[in-house]
Amino acid sequence: DAKTTQPTSMDCAEGRAANLPCNHSTISGNEYVYWYRQIHSQGPQYIIHGLKNNETNEMASLIITEDRKSSTLILPHATLRDTAVYYCIVRTGTASKLTFGTGTRLQVTL
Amino acid sequence: DTAVSQTPKYLVTQMGNDKSIKCEQNLGHDTMYWYKQDSKKFLKIMFSYNNKELIINETVPNRFSPKSPDKAHLNLHINSLELGDSAVYFCASSQERASTDTQYFGPGTRLTVL
Repeated sequence: DAKTTQPTSMDCAEGRAANLPCNHSTISGNEYVYWYRQIHSQGPQYIIHGLKNNETNEMASLIITEDRKSSTLILPHATLRDTAVYYCIVRTGTASKLTFGTGTRLQVTL
Repeated sequence: DTAVSQTPKYLVTQMGNDKSIKCEQNLGHDTMYWYKQDSKKFLKIMFSYNNKELIINETVPNRFSPKSPDKAHLNLHINSLELGDSAVYFCASSQERASTDTQYFGPGTRLTVL
C-alpha cells in the first residue's frame, strides 16, 4: 500500500471549515483513499473514502486531485467534538489491512 | 446497539499469565481484524479472519492466537504475557462492497501487564 504524508497538527476555529491535506504521490490506480479519525481513547472511526471522484457524506467531503497524488478532507463546520487525530490511508481491495501513519492532530478551538 | 463490541474494556494482569479478549460484531460482516495500539499511539494490524479463516497474520509472537468460533466473533488469546504486551487492542470488522470495504472498529481493550 502507498505511503501517505500528513501535517503533524492543525488548529481550526469552531464553526469554520477544517481542511486536512494528505499527500500520496505513489498511489497506484486501484488504491482507494480512506480517512479515519480517532477521538481520544476511542476506536478509529470511518469518515469517508474515494477512488478518483470527489465524495461527500454527512460527516465530510473528500477532494482528490486529478492526478490522485494528493487529497483534502474537509469538515465544513468544525465543532469541538471534531478534535481528534485524522488518518489518511491508501489501500487496495477488500479484507486488507489499514496501515495507519501518524496522522494529523486537529485541535478545534472556541 | 453496539456494532462492534469488546470485552473486557480494561484488563490488568501479571506477567506470565494467560488472558483472552473477546470481540463480537452484529453487522453481519464476514471479515474481522485485531489491531494493536502501543504507548506511542501507533496502530498496527495483527490478524484478520475472513469467514473464520485466517487471511492476515502479521509478524506477531506466537503467544498471540486468534480464534474465530463463527463469523460474528474473533477472540484474541495471549499466553505468557509480557510487559511489552501492554497496549490498547482494537477489534474491527468489514464486509466487501463493490470491490472495497470499510472497517468498523470496536471501543478497544486496554491491557496493562504488571
